[in-house]
Amino acid sequence: DTEVTQTPKHLVMGMTNKKSLKCEQHMGHRAMYWYKQKAKKPPELMFVYSYEKLSINESVPSRFSPECPNSSLLNLHLHALQPEDSALYLCASSQVLAGVGEQFFGPGTRLTVL
Amino acid sequence: QKEVEQDPGPLSVPEGAIVSLNCTYSNSAFQYFMWYRQYSRKGPELLMYTYSSGNKEDGRFTAQVDKSSKYISLFIRDSQPSDSATYLCATRRQGAQKLVFGQGTRLTINP
Repeated sequence: DTEVTQTPKHLVMGMTNKKSLKCEQHMGHRAMYWYKQKAKKPPELMFVYSYEKLSINESVPSRFSPECPNSSLLNLHLHALQPEDSALYLCASSQVLAGVGEQFFGPGTRLTVL
Repeated sequence: QKEVEQDPGPLSVPEGAIVSLNCTYSNSAFQYFMWYRQYSRKGPELLMYTYSSGNKEDGRFTAQVDKSSKYISLFIRDSQPSDSATYLCATRRQGAQKLVFGQGTRLTINP
């Protein structure tokens, strides 16, 4: 099973709402990632979790709050977002071992902030 | 200067043509090289993954890395309309988890 799943597929939220994005993988990967992708741009890394601990935060605003409850699950909690945060949010996973690390992406959640 | 340069296109070719997609990079520390295919409104799909210099073939796809010239290529033989997508090159250093992406090339294969 080489699949990363993400829910929901689409999300529309107001600037005062609180919502969460979810990601799940069952490949035994111990690294999980959140990316943000705007139209016609490559994915931009937001966060990396290794062995369920946050290892990279690319200076993301605090209105985005990641959580890794276990080795298969990754959440992104959203609060007080701005319209410019509208984008495709991608989850990815990979092995952590040195020299091994293809990242496999999920289908993404398309977020619209009104 | 971006660490990875990729012509965004768009590139339009007839069905059956050989397609050549390319990237250049500036950091000689990059060791791992990837090509992702991304259909509109979908997540990137890993196509090819190579380490250091050399060629790797998978069906109609061939990835080439030339570390001496810092040049990455993806060749698609017998191109099909279903190959129409954006192709992203990516690379990373040994031990790094952060990928550095090119801008992506939008490819259209015309029937």
